[in-house]
Amino acid sequence: SQQGEEDPQALSIQEGENATMNCSYKTSINNLQWYRQNSGRGLVHLILIRSNEREKHSGRLRVTLDTSKKSSSLLITASRAADTASYFCATPSGGYSTLTFGKGTMLLVSP
Amino acid sequence: KAGVTQTPRYLIKTRGQQVTLSCSPISGHRSVSWYQQTPGQGLQFLFEYFSETQRNKGNFPGRFSGRQFSNSRSEMNVSTLELGDSALYLCASSLTASGSTDTQYFGPGTRLTVL
Repeated sequence: SQQGEEDPQALSIQEGENATMNCSYKTSINNLQWYRQNSGRGLVHLILIRSNEREKHSGRLRVTLDTSKKSSSLLITASRAADTASYFCATPSGGYSTLTFGKGTMLLVSP
Repeated sequence: KAGVTQTPRYLIKTRGQQVTLSCSPISGHRSVSWYQQTPGQGLQFLFEYFSETQRNKGNFPGRFSGRQFSNSRSEMNVSTLELGDSALYLCASSLTASGSTDTQYFGPGTRLTVL
């Protein structure tokens, strides 16, 4: 079963605009991670936010975590065509290195 | 440092055959996880190995198996292939034993097509 559920499923914007993706999860977590996947390729880790953090930045990325609402958001500022990809949130589950992924948000950034 | 490598990158098999996929983790990483990605089910966890021991297994039939070698390289095997096994199989490695809070580094995947 999916732990994280991203919203929206697809997002289409113009270069320079901001893109916001949301993720909801069901159980208590100690961290939440965001990954990017370019078409049919492997996943690239973007950022990890721990349960005791509310906000984290990395370059043009800003992630928030609201554990009371069991939700997280990923903001990409000043989007570029190269940001076109699918974005997944993932939460640890079942212990050890197991991650449960949401279905992802497909982001299309047009020049 | 070289990233996670997976071989082969593409594979075409017919129903009933078996297949073995290989994953070499980043040097020094001892945890290797496998995931299956399909358009319908998304990314699903298959199993995780650490120091040659399977520590966790997802909800997949016994046709899916794996192992890890002493050099941390891992293989997964799918026997009696079915059409529904067509998917992108992703391998990920991480550094430490605790695992879940670590960054997972993914390989490029093996695209398996079952005809």
